[in-house]
Amino acid sequence: AQKITQTQPGMFVQEKEAVTLDCTYDTSDQSYGLFWYKQPSSGEMIFLIYQGSYDEQNATEGRYSLNFQKARKSANLVISASQLGDSAMYFCAMREFGNEKLTFGTGTRLTIIP
Amino acid sequence: NAGVTQTPKFRVLKTGQSMTLLCAQDMNHEYMYWYRQDPGMGLRLIHYSVGEGTTAKGEVPDGYNVSRLKKQNFLLGLESAAPSQTSVYFCASSYGGLRTPEAFFGQGTRLTVV
Repeated sequence: AQKITQTQPGMFVQEKEAVTLDCTYDTSDQSYGLFWYKQPSSGEMIFLIYQGSYDEQNATEGRYSLNFQKARKSANLVISASQLGDSAMYFCAMREFGNEKLTFGTGTRLTIIP
Repeated sequence: NAGVTQTPKFRVLKTGQSMTLLCAQDMNHEYMYWYRQDPGMGLRLIHYSVGEGTTAKGEVPDGYNVSRLKKQNFLLGLESAAPSQTSVYFCASSYGGLRTPEAFFGQGTRLTVV
């Protein structure tokens, strides 16, 4: 069964606008972590933000925030004031702390339009 | 800081040949992972390890074997390469538990099987 679902294969957003990338997950573990990674065209994987299942507040890192809705099993990434350099693939991932698997979604390709 | 290093960066194999991809990390991480990335399919977990001498199957383990004889190294083997194994392979490592839980990635290995 798909553990991580990203339903937006591609998105186009005007520069300086905010953008929300969707991610839903499926797990029966009570203890897990959710991650977002960025992959620019150069290919490297860049860690952006982390949310633990027991964290009560949404994680924030600069322009990135994670909208964590535990009951809905969603962990959307919000990028504020988008920049041209934000154009990249974005992957949502989950690590279940029971079996320690780290699984990824299929990604969303974000393109920022000047 | 080397971080996670994958060797080689590029390789072309003929069908039926064998090869080993090496992943080395210098961060004393307990956990290591091998992924393959194909267009539209995100990163799929092949095998992973939660400590020296341990390995476990991921989502797509068929046709691959792994070994973790030393904590810092995680080897991925292809015994008899097939064109379906043409992909970009990523290795990642992380600490165990909740301490700095994000995974650090290597630069990837682009493998073509002809």
